[in-house]
Amino acid sequence: KAGVTQTPRYLIKTRGQQVTLSCSPISGHRSVSWYQQTPGQGLQFLFEYFSETQRNKGNFPGRFSGRQFSNSRSEMNVSTLELGDSALYLCASSFGQVGQYFGPGTRLTVL
Amino acid sequence: GIQVEQSPPDLILQEGANSTLRCNFSDSVNNLQWFHQNPWGQLINLFYIPSGTKQNGRLSATTVATERYSLLYISSSQTTDSGVYFCAVEGLGNQGGKLIFGQGTELSVKP
Repeated sequence: KAGVTQTPRYLIKTRGQQVTLSCSPISGHRSVSWYQQTPGQGLQFLFEYFSETQRNKGNFPGRFSGRQFSNSRSEMNVSTLELGDSALYLCASSFGQVGQYFGPGTRLTVL
Repeated sequence: GIQVEQSPPDLILQEGANSTLRCNFSDSVNNLQWFHQNPWGQLINLFYIPSGTKQNGRLSATTVATERYSLLYISSSQTTDSGVYFCAVEGLGNQGGKLIFGQGTELSVKP
């Protein structure tokens, strides 16, 4: 099976802009989780979607949002970008009790 | 919430040496995973191990859930083992898809 894919891999934006990141899970996986990784805060959970519904949400401001489509693909959106949003954004998919599988990530730089 | 602590934070080894990485967690968990983050940022699954012992080649892991710790053993280390190793847990009663990560152990294997 193909792994988790994320697009784009790299992105440069300026403060105040918005950005949309995409994640395609492993075929058959219905849960998609998103994480932010920064040098200062490490890996932090953003939110999780299952069957198009947000089941769980981390402690991030409302500028961070997401959605999931009927084919389980997911997008996350960050509005009004700040310098501190520069990070590696990782998504993971899972099915049942076998753990989460991660994509290669999107590296976002905010100037 | 659950706290995850990894030790040591940094480890330098000569090729061929063995090592043990430790992960302590503060509460009961549904899920525990070990990951290796490659130089490009992708998290590579090593083990899904909420309890018990598993082995995969030169790597093995043991989780003692009752004592709230997990160990990752790397034997006969190779330079390709270099990188950051993360332990991540999912708490009991978690609504879904939320892994809490430790700060990682950065391993450097010298030739």
